[in-house]
Parts: sequence; structure tokens; C-alpha cells
Amino acid sequence: DVKVTQSSRYLVKRTGEKVFLECVQDMDHENMFWYRQDPGLGLRLIYFSYDVKMKEKGDIPEGYSVSREKKERFSLILESASTNQTSMYLCASSDRDPNQPQHFGDGTRLSIL
Amino acid sequence: AQSVTQLDSQVPVFEEAPVELRCNYSSSVSVYLFWYVQYPNQGLQLLLKYLSGSTLVKGINGFEAEFNKSQTSFHLRKPSVHISDTAEYFCAVTYNNNDMRFGAGTRLTVKP
Repeated sequence: DVKVTQSSRYLVKRTGEKVFLECVQDMDHENMFWYRQDPGLGLRLIYFSYDVKMKEKGDIPEGYSVSREKKERFSLILESASTNQTSMYLCASSDRDPNQPQHFGDGTRLSIL
Repeated sequence: AQSVTQLDSQVPVFEEAPVELRCNYSSSVSVYLFWYVQYPNQGLQLLLKYLSGSTLVKGINGFEAEFNKSQTSFHLRKPSVHISDTAEYFCAVTYNNNDMRFGAGTRLTVKP
């Protein structure tokens, strides 16, 4: 089974802090994704990566950056956390073939105080 | 822009009753269709997928979905639900450029 592991289930940070969310997958997938999930809005794509050192903006990249130095690891960075970034963050990975599903981690519930 | 619409944000139903969760998507030449389930405090798990072939797709936990190209729909059904099916369900569509779009989700609540 594919395993996508997010480093923290719950995280509390303060406004203005730099926050790192880490995600690791063990299936040698090319594609990796970061979403945020908010009630009534479903999943919104922040960034995705289709290869090492490659990244593409999703629908809501403002206030975020990403890093993919190794194929298995995809990091989401909040440069200066704000209260409106309080949310559930989900990482996913998939094979390059578009007919393959995405596999999700358990999520990180981030609270910015 | 490509979009996925889940027509019901909440669906309450009694145990052992049938249920249908509706999903429509914006039309495109080729799509791949998925349903995911999310239990509380967990990530999304794949329920089933439609890639091609038979329009009726069977998934895990007794769920099935039917692809209707003319109506651009992919509704999820289960003939008899259990308390344990209480969760949030997401419809997702991958368009031909590898762009996966999710619906806003439907919260299914099964009552005893």
C-alpha cells in the first residue's frame, strides 16, 4: 500500500512565524500535491510538483511556498503565518499517469494564533 | 474553468436505507472520475474510480457509481447504509491535462 506521511497531525503556531509542513511518500511517485481543506470549500490546491525541484502554483498559492529537493519529500512553507491560514492541510501523491488516483496523508490541522 | 459540483452538502439518512450522493462535472473530451471518503481526522481514501469501459463501477464498502456521459454525472450509491458509513464524501475529476478537481464534499450522516 502507498504510504503518505505528514510529519504532524496537529500544530499550533503564532502569527508571523515561519511554518514548515513536511510530507513523505514511499511509492516513488512523480507527482506530489498540497491542499488546504476548509468547511464548505472542499479541497483547494495550493502547489503541486511533478518532479524533483519542479513546482507549479495551484489555485491559492499566495502566502505559501514549497520545496522538493528529493523525490519522496514535499514541503509546504508558510513564510509568515497569518490567522487566515488556520486550516487542515492535506498532502497527496500520485503516479504521473493521469488515470491514477491521488493518495493522501492523514492531514495536519494547523492553528495560527 | 473545469469544475465539479456536489449537489448536496449534507445528506442525513437512516441506517439500512439506500443513499445517492450526486456529482456533476463540467464537460470535457475525456475525464477520469473518482469518489473518495474521508472519516473524521483522517485523509481521503479512494472508494472507486471510473477510467473507461462499463459505466457502472463498483468500489469498496458496497458503494457503486454510474458514469453518465450525456448528463456529465457520476452519482454514488449504496443500497443499504451502515452507521459506519458516516463520513464526508468527495467527488473528483481528472481532466486531460492531469488537473484533478474536487467537489466541495457531501457530509453523509447515518442515523440509527
